[in-house]
Formats: sequence, structure tokens, C-alpha cells
Amino acid sequence: DGGITQSPKYLFRKEGQNVTLSCEQNLNHDAMYWYRQDPGQGLRLIYYSQIVNDFQKGDIAEGYSVSREKKESFPLTVTSAQKNPTAFYLCASSKGGRGTNEKLFFGSGTQLSVL
Amino acid sequence: AQKVTQAQTEISVVEKEDVTLDCVYETRDTTYYLFWYKQPPSGELVFLIRRNSFDEQNEISGRYSWNFQKSTSSFNFTITASQVVDSAVYFCALIRDKVIFGPGTSLSVIP
Repeated sequence: DGGITQSPKYLFRKEGQNVTLSCEQNLNHDAMYWYRQDPGQGLRLIYYSQIVNDFQKGDIAEGYSVSREKKESFPLTVTSAQKNPTAFYLCASSKGGRGTNEKLFFGSGTQLSVL
Repeated sequence: AQKVTQAQTEISVVEKEDVTLDCVYETRDTTYYLFWYKQPPSGELVFLIRRNSFDEQNEISGRYSWNFQKSTSSFNFTITASQVVDSAVYFCALIRDKVIFGPGTSLSVIP
């Protein structure tokens, strides 16, 4: 079955540590996204990528970095510069790019907590 | 500015009751899209419906129905005869040049 796989399901970060969240899709979608979900705040866009080797900052990119070396993969690194990283992180993809009417397909998320 | 408001933070209903989730949006654009997504406890958001701004026809899909009214900038979602499996967080979203999600409404259906 086609879909989006995020790993790990739960992740703990020590202070000063960088951690990387994995996102893989086999839907052959060009566009991929990372969202952060905090209780009561909906989803906020961190980064998005419309094509391999290209990505753009979203609304809350500070303290995060991404790469898009393969169409299927869009890993997110939460750096030590992100002072409040505890949140639920969702990866998504779509056939069309940002702003199109294409629906988003989501992974099952990673809960990141700070030790 | 574009904005989506879901005024109901949490709703609890008893199984078999009908429930309406409100969504009010703000945009100056005449062309836009509206979506509803469901987030069950497993975490992933699941697409429910897409509507463009020129199509104000209401839609029904089984126990789900949607009422789109441009005059009041609302796109409300009704679940008829609710079931425990409907318990989830529901997000309304507006798309023009980017996706704007509402804060979500957490629905609990009590057996």
C-alpha cells in the first residue's frame, strides 16, 4: 500500500542535541511538507519541498533544517537552536505543489520530547 | 489576511446524537479551496472533503454532510448519528497560495 512512513514514533532529545526525524513516501509525490502540531494551535508549516534538491522555509523554520536528496525522502533535523522542540511533528506529501487544490497525505507523526 | 477559526475547542456527545463542527474562514480572494481533515488517535490526518469557492452545493457522504455558505464565510461539518469511531480531532483548512489550518475541534463520542 502506498503511503507515508515516519519514524520514530517517539523521540527524546537531550539539551544541546540535534535529532533527525525520518519521512519516506512511496506515493511518487513531488511535494513534501513538515508540520509542527502543538495542542490547540493547529498545524504550522516548518519547511516544504516542491522538487528534489529544493526546499523552502515555512512559517516557523527557525531551529530546523531539512534536505531533499531523493524524491521519496524528506528528513527533518531539529537543531539545538530550537529552544522549544516538544511537539508532534507531521510529514505530508501532495501530488501538486503548495497552493494547489491537491489534498495532503499525512504520516502518523513523531512525538518529540525534551529530556 | 487569511485565517481559519474553529471556535469549538472540544465537544462531547453521546453516541447516536448529531453534532455540527463549525468552521469560519477569512480571505479576500475570490478563488480558494476549503478542506476538512480528521485526525484519529493514531495521529495521521485523513482527508475528508475538498470544496472550491465557486461550488456552494452542500455535500453528503454517508453520515457526513457539509454546509458551505460564502455569505457567512462558513464551511460547517455535520455528523449524523455519531459513533465512537468518530472520536477524533477535526481540522478545517483554507488553501489559496498556502494551506491555513484551523486550530481543530476535538470530538469525543461517548458510548
